[in-house]
Amino acid sequence: NAGVTQTPKFRVLKTGQSMTLLCAQDMNHEYMYWYRQDPGMGLRLIHYSVGEGTTAKGEVPDGYNVSRLKKQNFLLGLESAAPSQTSVYFCASSYESYYEQYFGPGTRLTVT
Amino acid sequence: RKEVEQDPGPFNVPEGATVAFNCTYSNSASQSFFWYRQDCRKEPKLLMSVYSSGNEDGRFTAQLNRASQYISLLIRDSKLSDSATYLCVVKYGQNFVFGPGTRLSVLP
Repeated sequence: NAGVTQTPKFRVLKTGQSMTLLCAQDMNHEYMYWYRQDPGMGLRLIHYSVGEGTTAKGEVPDGYNVSRLKKQNFLLGLESAAPSQTSVYFCASSYESYYEQYFGPGTRLTVT
Repeated sequence: RKEVEQDPGPFNVPEGATVAFNCTYSNSASQSFFWYRQDCRKEPKLLMSVYSSGNEDGRFTAQLNRASQYISLLIRDSKLSDSATYLCVVKYGQNFVFGPGTRLSVLP
């Protein structure tokens, strides 16, 4: 099992550009999450999904959209990137909401 | 007040030392509690879940005090490989709330 994978690993965007981050898991987990991690802030939840076809807002959803068309994939979109979105983005999945989360390796995004 | 707060650190300890980390949470409805470790520039990984009765896994012991809304992690006989950032995680509803982390450096 690959676990949780994320693509790309690194990306540099210019302000106003758009991009999609892909998260894939092969553990048949129902729950998937997108976080961002900034120095001194801890991980903050952007959006999450409790199953295929569902999405919900987390703590910091503004400027991001998500889709979960297939159970194994969770996409995070930035429609118009801003420098404030420079961060490390982690995807995670869990079998049930009260089970541990498994994280992907992260995507380092820089917006100039 | 932040929802989950941790000792700011960093903790610099010699090999073999015992070190304890503290974590407090503000939401009394919190249901589940975890300690994760995160190595530099890597993803967080589960270290251990924290149960009401306290639990131990080798050199690691976790304690939960619901009345005081307090979680602790004790590491005995520290190894160089224990150097990492330790994240306290509290769950309520659908939310996992992460603390900012406490950095540990174990020195030879």
